[in-house]
Amino acid sequence: GAVVSQHPSRVICKSGTSVKIECRSLDFQATTMFWYRQFPKQSLMLMATSNEGSKATYEQGVEKDKFLINHASLTLSTLTVTSAHPEDSSFYICSARFSRRNTGELFFGEGSRLTVL
Amino acid sequence: AQSVTQLGSHVSVSEGALVLLRCNYSSSVPPYLFWYVQYPNQGLQLLLKYTTGATLVKGINGFEAEFKKSETSFHLTKPSAHMSDAAEYFCAVSEGSQGNLIFGKGTKLSVKP
Repeated sequence: GAVVSQHPSRVICKSGTSVKIECRSLDFQATTMFWYRQFPKQSLMLMATSNEGSKATYEQGVEKDKFLINHASLTLSTLTVTSAHPEDSSFYICSARFSRRNTGELFFGEGSRLTVL
Repeated sequence: AQSVTQLGSHVSVSEGALVLLRCNYSSSVPPYLFWYVQYPNQGLQLLLKYTTGATLVKGINGFEAEFKKSETSFHLTKPSAHMSDAAEYFCAVSEGSQGNLIFGKGTKLSVKP
């Protein structure tokens, strides 16, 4: 089946540094990828929709200069948390939709836990 | 606008007992409905989905769900719980195959020995 891979699974960084998280679709092309943020014991909050070859669409309240998204190819989207602060600590999950399949489901990466000290 | 309501943030059952996780949705168009499972510190795994056709859908790990349009429900069931079923379960709805998925708040399932 379709697989989405995220890297790194865990990252700890100092306040003020930038962190990049990669999301890859391993065996399918994904023109659209989605980035979610999940707080402890809560549901997933859609942050942005990443479209290959164009600018990402951000949800209301999400700072696009803070969370930079690049979708340079049909199999890779990246999320960069710039000048990270402790309040950015969270679980970030990406997902992708198989472009040629019309069944609607999203395939999710394993998630990346960011801890900002 | 679409929305999903999962009744009960935490459900606890005994091993071997019936599992019933409730999900109600609202949608202005025929919905696509999904159940996902999340184990600690992991991403989401698709359990099952309803798009069109048969309203009773079977998924992985013995789970199934029934789409009831008149009740706007898509409850998840499993006849006999296993310890390995303990996880967080999310119901989601989308408008067609290309719409965003809107997730419910999740239900944590605990299974007692």
